[in-house]
Amino acid sequence: ETGVTQTPRHLVMGMTNKKSLKCEQHLGHNAMYWYKQSAKKPLELMFVYNFKEQTENNSVPSRFSPECPNSSHLFLHLHTLQPEDSALYLCASTPGTFPDTQYFGPGTRLTVL
Amino acid sequence: QKEVEQNSGPLSVPEGAIASLNCTYSDRGSQSFFWYRQYSGKSPELIMFIYSNGDKEDGRFTAQLNKASQYVSLLIRDSQPSDSATYLCAVNGSGATNKLIFGTGTLLAVQP
Repeated sequence: ETGVTQTPRHLVMGMTNKKSLKCEQHLGHNAMYWYKQSAKKPLELMFVYNFKEQTENNSVPSRFSPECPNSSHLFLHLHTLQPEDSALYLCASTPGTFPDTQYFGPGTRLTVL
Repeated sequence: QKEVEQNSGPLSVPEGAIASLNCTYSDRGSQSFFWYRQYSGKSPELIMFIYSNGDKEDGRFTAQLNKASQYVSLLIRDSQPSDSATYLCAVNGSGATNKLIFGTGTLLAVQP
């Protein structure tokens, strides 16, 4: 995967742990996104960054903390998660020009014990 | 509440048949419409997008858009077992061009 990469691909953590998810896009895009995908539910947009600035926070609990140091990198810092936070976390990027197609990374499968 | 609705399926079609996947949306201001395919355990991958009323063809795939009826569909001709996946419809929100609203997806099963 040379477009949008994510690490780790799988993560198991306890409720008291602190971990971080990393996303990197190699497409020269200007916007990056975090999504949560749970079984039987639509993709849920969590955060949007345009040119490193956060432009959307979709009422995400504070135990999820995003960081975007530059237009190519996006992190999601996790702490004191709950079992219901177990899901597939997807990163995406877009070029910022119409139709602004979203390109997804492979995702991180997170399990909270 | 802005929504994108899809029948969750499963939609079962025999190999070689045409699969028809449908999606309705509630935001009349939406301008861009996307179809993604997602295999189990994988991330969504773009099949095609459409933004003008009518049909858009790309190989075995045809997207159809009717803004008056707030309806977008995807036709897959000559369906193959490898097309078996969940198909996600996504619609851009009228308030922000880079914010997509996804449906829950339709599971397609192509029977050999």
